[in-house]
Amino acid sequence: EAQVTQNPRYLITVTGKKLTVTCSQNMNHEYMSWYRQDPGLGLRQIYYSMNVEVTDKGDVPEGYKVSRKEKRNFPLILESPSPNQTSLYFCASNSIRVRDTEAFFGQGTRLTVV
Amino acid sequence: RKEVEQDPGPFNVPEGATVAFNCTYSNSASQSFFWYRQDCRKEPKLLMSVYSSGNEDGRFTAQLNRASQYISLLIRDSKLSDSATYLCVVNFKAAGNKLTFGGGTRVLVKP
Repeated sequence: EAQVTQNPRYLITVTGKKLTVTCSQNMNHEYMSWYRQDPGLGLRQIYYSMNVEVTDKGDVPEGYKVSRKEKRNFPLILESPSPNQTSLYFCASNSIRVRDTEAFFGQGTRLTVV
Repeated sequence: RKEVEQDPGPFNVPEGATVAFNCTYSNSASQSFFWYRQDCRKEPKLLMSVYSSGNEDGRFTAQLNRASQYISLLIRDSKLSDSATYLCVVNFKAAGNKLTFGGGTRVLVKP
């Protein structure tokens, strides 16, 4: 079954404690990205990657890091989380070889930073 | 101005009625267009792609107007299960295949 898997689904942490949200896809997609969703602001792209070892900033990259060492994995790293990073996070992947490609999303990670 | 704009709603729709709403985009070079559906705080899922000639999938019809830079979604014979947020998504491939999302239009279908 084609899927994007994020972990954890829910996380409460304290300010400044480094955390990683994992994302894995089994569709051999080249393109992966991270979004955050906040009320009234919709989905905003944090970082994206067009292939292994190729990453770039999205619209709201401050306070986040990513890596793409393998094609299937695209972890999101918060080195020093702050309360304004409390949000719902989605990882997504899609092929760049197919026209009008569908993006597949993970189930989301609800992060609370206190 | 936001790159992709939608009326946030909510659109309160009687069961069985027709509802339609639009999405405007600012980048005239945008190349692919989609409607995604998102249920309350769950992941977005593709509803349908939007093609230049317009396309239909059951009770759902999508239209693209490149001259005026908007896409539309029409839902006929609304069902209670159509209650969701509908996200307009634009792919500007020259920007690295980035998907730009509208803020979503909330639709509430009531008995």
